[in-house]
Amino acid sequence: LAKTTQPISMDSYEGQEVNITCSHNNIATNDYITWYQQFPSQGPRFIIQGYKTKVTNEVASLFIPADRKSSTLSLPRVSLSDTAVYYCLVGDPALSNTGKLIFGQGTTLQVKP
Amino acid sequence: DGGITQSPKYLFRKEGQNVTLSCEQNLNHDAMYWYRQDPGQGLRLIYYSQIVNDFQKGDIAEGYSVSREKKESFPLTVTSAQKNPTAFYLCASSIWRTDNYGYTFGSGTRLTVV
Repeated sequence: LAKTTQPISMDSYEGQEVNITCSHNNIATNDYITWYQQFPSQGPRFIIQGYKTKVTNEVASLFIPADRKSSTLSLPRVSLSDTAVYYCLVGDPALSNTGKLIFGQGTTLQVKP
Repeated sequence: DGGITQSPKYLFRKEGQNVTLSCEQNLNHDAMYWYRQDPGQGLRLIYYSQIVNDFQKGDIAEGYSVSREKKESFPLTVTSAQKNPTAFYLCASSIWRTDNYGYTFGSGTRLTVV
């Protein structure tokens, strides 16, 4: 399993772009990188997933360098409602039903007015 | 819309009691999971099930039990043997795919010992 390291917490202001970086030095060939968002007293929800280069959807962008040893979640123009915990997961999707994916502490993002 | 339903949202347990948390999904997902979350912590896996009538222990299974008699249902029982059960419990499901973890979570049950 690829261990991930991400900052425990980050602060930002409304309207700013936020970049959260995750390190995964031992990522394997079949591993994908996935980010989840969790609001207080709710379950995590899927934000974005990628394998290499850049992925963008209506919510966020995910940048993955060529060596894939890290990745950066980018949230454009955050609002107060983006205050949440963000989890970086790395693993082989084919093993996802074996309970092998690990949700670490995540990064707590606090957006201020 | 398909999804996962957890009930109740809040649950209070007296010392020495067993309580059962419900988890139902209509996503036709094969695998289901139970996680425990403590304040400021990540998610820890309690039990998971890949198919009906089969389940495996996760990292913190002691004091918990599960059953998987139907594909749609994966109830978790917190027994009196669990000495510190106060926590937020999350149920999830997933379907095997090669390109996507496909995890979907319920909205959680907050269990408090009184």
